[in-house]
Amino acid sequence: GDSVTQMEGPVTLSEEAFLTINCTYTATGYPSLFWYVQYPGEGLQLLLKATKADDKGSNKGFEATYRKETTSFHLEKGSVQVSDSAVYFCAPGDRGSQGNLIFGKGTKLSVKP
Amino acid sequence: NAGVMQNPRHLVRRRGQEARLRCSPMKGHSHVYWYRQLPEEGLKFMVYLQKENIIDESGMPKERFSAEFPKEGPSILRIQQVVRGDSAAYFCASSLGTNNEQFFGPGTRLTVL
Repeated sequence: GDSVTQMEGPVTLSEEAFLTINCTYTATGYPSLFWYVQYPGEGLQLLLKATKADDKGSNKGFEATYRKETTSFHLEKGSVQVSDSAVYFCAPGDRGSQGNLIFGKGTKLSVKP
Repeated sequence: NAGVMQNPRHLVRRRGQEARLRCSPMKGHSHVYWYRQLPEEGLKFMVYLQKENIIDESGMPKERFSAEFPKEGPSILRIQQVVRGDSAAYFCASSLGTNNEQFFGPGTRLTVL
């Protein structure tokens, strides 16, 4: 079945450091790809998405490019802030199951001032 | 436009009791998904419903768990005879349609004593 592998955390960075969180997936066909963020004690919020190959999703300084050839959707940010501390989830949409999302285990990011 | 609403936000039950979790989707959304997040884990898909229909329940435990989304009113996730292992955060999401962006509620944190 479809699956996603996400970089294990926790990741600890200093403010203004560069961030990469790797995500690779296996899927039937070409699913839409999503990154969600979960701040402490809250539900998930959509961070960005890409719906087809070579699309780049971006939001709040975060970016991720849909790479069909490597089945990857790595999340990047050039300069992280303390407020970016959260858990980040990569989630391909499972077209085989009519749209439910397959979540990775999440990567916890802590940004120190 | 109110977002996805879940209640209660926190629920405490003793072993053997029943837990009822409610989810009101965003206005205009007829697709509802339930996910479970165990401590230190990612989200796992449980069930996908449209009004009055269960579309995919491949992630639901075979016993004690049931879900419904009636024509009127919220979607309900029901857990009968709860056990300690049911303690988790249960998230509901809604969307306009299959493969559309899912919007998440704040979750219900169930604690079984």
